[in-house]
Amino acid sequence: QKEVEQDPGPLSVPEGAIVSLNCTYSNSAFQYFMWYRQYSRKGPELLMYTYSSGNKEDGRFTAQVDKSSKYISLFIRDSQPSDSATYLCAMSAGFQGAQKLVFGQGTRLTINP
Amino acid sequence: DAGITQSPRHKVTETGTPVTLRCHQTENHRYMYWYRQDPGHGLRLIHYSYGVKDTDKGEVSDGYSVSRSKTEDFLLTLESATSSQTSVYFCAINSDTNYGYTFGSGTRLTVV
Repeated sequence: QKEVEQDPGPLSVPEGAIVSLNCTYSNSAFQYFMWYRQYSRKGPELLMYTYSSGNKEDGRFTAQVDKSSKYISLFIRDSQPSDSATYLCAMSAGFQGAQKLVFGQGTRLTINP
Repeated sequence: DAGITQSPRHKVTETGTPVTLRCHQTENHRYMYWYRQDPGHGLRLIHYSYGVKDTDKGEVSDGYSVSRSKTEDFLLTLESATSSQTSVYFCAINSDTNYGYTFGSGTRLTVV
């Protein structure tokens, strides 16, 4: 069983919808949680990061971490066609030193105009 | 991507031949990583480096070796390429003071 599970989708929603992307994990040592966005034929880019449990908001994006359930989420409000991409969750146990991120397999998201 | 470049961007090679992929950074970051990305598996860590000449294995290191003789360069070598190593390879960097990685644009490798 993989340490990090993510529904690969694909997920297709109309423009303006609220999107919810999720990951579950099994390693209770994970403390740093990130979301990456990857456009087709490009490298992933860091979208958001959170430490431990709680919420973090950045514009239309909100990241949530529930360590008791080993569950993280990314919400996208007022979704735009430019949000169409693959979204990958990633996590690590430490911050200092080599982080050795563990990634979910990514969810392919399409926002339809 | 700013500060990190991978070469080549695309390569087709034959089974059994050695292949070297290059990652070059201009950020002077201490840590460098090689990942491969495959459908159904996401990104998996191959090898990483925590300094010049300091490297360690990741989750899927069999059949791969790495070298880092300078801070800015991290080489990934497929000693004898196999079809199972057909993949997209990403290099990433980070430092002690920033969360997460900065990724390169990737190398698409096909082994025929």
